[in-house]
Amino acid sequence: QQQVKQSPQSLIVQKGGISIINCAYENTAFDYFPWYQQFPGKGPALLIAIRPDVSEKKEGRFTISFNKSAKQFSLHIMDSQPGDSATYFCAASYTSGYSTLTFGKGTMLLVSP
Amino acid sequence: EPEVTQTPSHQVTQMGQEVILRCVPISNHLYFYWYRQILGQKVEFLVSFYNNEISEKSEIFDDQFSVERPDGSNFTLKIRSTKLEDSAMYFCASRENGPFQPQETQYFGPGTRLLVL
Repeated sequence: QQQVKQSPQSLIVQKGGISIINCAYENTAFDYFPWYQQFPGKGPALLIAIRPDVSEKKEGRFTISFNKSAKQFSLHIMDSQPGDSATYFCAASYTSGYSTLTFGKGTMLLVSP
Repeated sequence: EPEVTQTPSHQVTQMGQEVILRCVPISNHLYFYWYRQILGQKVEFLVSFYNNEISEKSEIFDDQFSVERPDGSNFTLKIRSTKLEDSAMYFCASRENGPFQPQETQYFGPGTRLLVL
């Protein structure tokens, strides 16, 4: 019940295209859903996060869509750029607990020039 | 911008040896974490630490592991007798508020790559 399932494992998108990464969770107690971006040799860095009281959150070219009934959330990267090439992790946690992040397995995104 | 720092960036050790990984969390943060990432796999939670004691630990965090905040700034992870399977990137993270409070951003350090031979 603690798992967060992420797909696809890897993704190649042309410059200017839309990158879409999906995650699904089982634990309905989760109430915080961040996306982290990780470049090789670096630690994960928070990209954008959402709470389940909204269905969408947008920050610049990055949008999280959240479907509470389906227990799914996704990251959309509009106008993808080569600099977006990185590994993206979705995660989940809940405020009622110790707020440990449960991560998905990650998606390696390559944006071709 | 404040950041979490970790030392060393790389550590090579022999199986059975003790290692200490060091972290300096962001100065006004109260809640600290260690995660690890085996090469090519997802980030996994090890332990969280608040108010000078362990808040939560995972199954990975067995008796070979310990954490300490020896002074007001450092946060350490000790592995007493390293095994080959301990080879991984270890990340320290911190956040501003404590457990059971509205989630705040966890800031991750750059990691220590541990290689056990």
